[in-house]
Amino acid sequence: AQTVTQSQPEMSVQEAETVTLSCTYDTSESDYYLFWYKQPPSRQMILVIRQEAYKQQNATENRFSVNFQKAAKSFSLKISDSQLGDAAMYFCGLSNFGNEKLTFGTGTRLTIIP
Amino acid sequence: DSGVTQTPKHLITATGQRVTLRCSPRSGDLSVYWYQQSLDQGLQFLIQYYNGEERAKGNILERFSAQQFPDLHSELNLSSLELGDSALYFCASSVELENLQETQYFGPGTRLLVL
Repeated sequence: AQTVTQSQPEMSVQEAETVTLSCTYDTSESDYYLFWYKQPPSRQMILVIRQEAYKQQNATENRFSVNFQKAAKSFSLKISDSQLGDAAMYFCGLSNFGNEKLTFGTGTRLTIIP
Repeated sequence: DSGVTQTPKHLITATGQRVTLRCSPRSGDLSVYWYQQSLDQGLQFLIQYYNGEERAKGNILERFSAQQFPDLHSELNLSSLELGDSALYFCASSVELENLQETQYFGPGTRLLVL
């Protein structure tokens, strides 16, 4: 069985500052994928970033980057230059290769302070 | 816009009733996934279909069933509804590529309220 843990139910950050959201996971598979999805008040699930476990290089998408520590089974999301539009619930997700279902954490609610 | 469509957006019904949720995947995507998001259970995988065939099952109740049609749209049927079935139901789709796990793109969801 695979599990995903997000230990920060809520986080807040000043606009233009940097914030890091934490995620740890557990899987017995060696080939897997990690994702961060954003869920704004509209409730739409929007992909933020993905990381393949076999890649050592951390994924980056504009202001969003991850710190992937495979040995520690940790996958944190860093948001730089936070903007008001970043306010949302953020879900960390895991899927094993060949078993595509996504297992999600409980989410972190991010508030941006103007 | 992810390209995945779901209808209806909202559904209000009574306990004991049956409803059908519909999903159209992104053009070219063969896989469809259904997820349930509720306050007490979080986001949970229900079932996956690939090109018309059931591929994987999660925590899906026996009262729930799904199918994927030849045009690749999918329907999730919920019957004998209970108050606890009130939730946001998401459909997601992905393309299948050999040796590569593709990203799932989510539809806007159907919000079901059982009274």
